[in-house]
Order: sequence, then C-alpha cells, then structure tokens
Amino acid sequence: LAKTTQPISMDSYEGQEVNITCSHNNIATNDYITWYQQFPSQGPRFIIQGYKTKVTNEVASLFIPADRKSSTLSLPRVSLSDTAVYYCLLTYSGGYQKVTFGTGTKLQVIP
Amino acid sequence: EAGVTQFPSHSVIEKGQTVTLRCDPISGHDNLYWYRRVMGKEIKFLLHFVKESKQDESGMPNNRFLAERTGGTYSTLKVQPAELEDSGVYFCASSPNRGSTNEKLFFGSGTQLSVL
Repeated sequence: LAKTTQPISMDSYEGQEVNITCSHNNIATNDYITWYQQFPSQGPRFIIQGYKTKVTNEVASLFIPADRKSSTLSLPRVSLSDTAVYYCLLTYSGGYQKVTFGTGTKLQVIP
Repeated sequence: EAGVTQFPSHSVIEKGQTVTLRCDPISGHDNLYWYRRVMGKEIKFLLHFVKESKQDESGMPNNRFLAERTGGTYSTLKVQPAELEDSGVYFCASSPNRGSTNEKLFFGSGTQLSVL
C-alpha cells in the first residue's frame, strides 16, 4: 500500500489559515486521499476526501494537483479547538484494501 | 443515531490476566475494524470483519489475541494472557458496506488498556 509523508507537527495562531501538505508519490489510480482528525482521548474522525482538484466542505478544503503526488488540507481561521492530530491516508476505491494510518501531523493552535 | 461505542473505556490488569474489549458498531454497518496504538507509535490495523466473517486479520500480533463478531453485530477482542507490550489504546471503527474500503470510517473513543 502506498505510503504518505506529512510534517510531524505544526504551530499556528488562532484565526490563521493552516495548510498541511501530504506527499504520496506512489499513489495508485484507484486511491483516494482521505483526511482524519483526532482529538486527545478520542478516535479519529473523518474530515474530507478527494480524488483530484479541489474539494470543500463545512470543515476544510482539500487541494490536489493534477499529478496527485501530493495534497494540501486547508483549515480556514483555526481556533483553539482545532488543536488535534491530522492524518493523511490513501484509501482504495477498487475493492478491499486495509486502511493504514501514518504518523499524522500534530497541529497546535496558539492563542 | 448512536455512534460506535466501546467498553470499557479504561482497563488496568496484571500481566497474565485476561481482558475482553467490546465494540458496538453503528447499527447496519457490515464492516467492523479493530486498530491499536501503543505508546509513541502509529495507529496500527489489527483486523477487519465483514458481518461475522474475518475479512483480514493480518494485523493481529499473535495468537494471544482473539476477535469475534457473533451474529455480525457487536465484536469482542480478547487478550489472553495479557503481556506488558499489549498496553495501548484499542480503537474500533465501523463503516457501511459499499464494496470497497474507500468509505468513511466511524471510530469509537477507544479502550485504554494498561497491563502492569
């Protein structure tokens, strides 16, 4: 299964836009890019998923360039409650393939 | 709609004892997954049920771990006998079955297992 690489940690001030980039050089044709958020003492929570170009929902935006070898999760105007670990995953749409988590990016929002 | 629930939330046992963790998935979800994170490490896949059948148990560490999902509803994960290295947070997740694992996973809050 193709792996992803993302920064271990990031700091941001409240109110700023945060962009977390994930590299996935070996992404396969049937792979989607999926992001999860995890707060302390909770399980991961789905944020957003995309295949190409741009996807936006009420929580975040996901930017995927044409070659799909990387993706950027964008969180607009973060607040203290956005402090969490963010995981970038490749999920297979062609049938069964187990979902694996990497190290994630620990985002710390500073007042 | 109730989410994925796990019981207990915390368990402290001594080495050599037996512990059983329980997961109740979202009603109607055919897929049920177990994951584990030991201290300082990544969240690791343990196994995957589709209804009552084990689709993939390649992540199970050894034969001290036994997972069941009788009737395709709730699942249990038994560790017998527990060892120190089994300490960690055990997560359960579920998803509907649309034929691929490119589905949103719904996670429970996990069971924190401490083996002393």
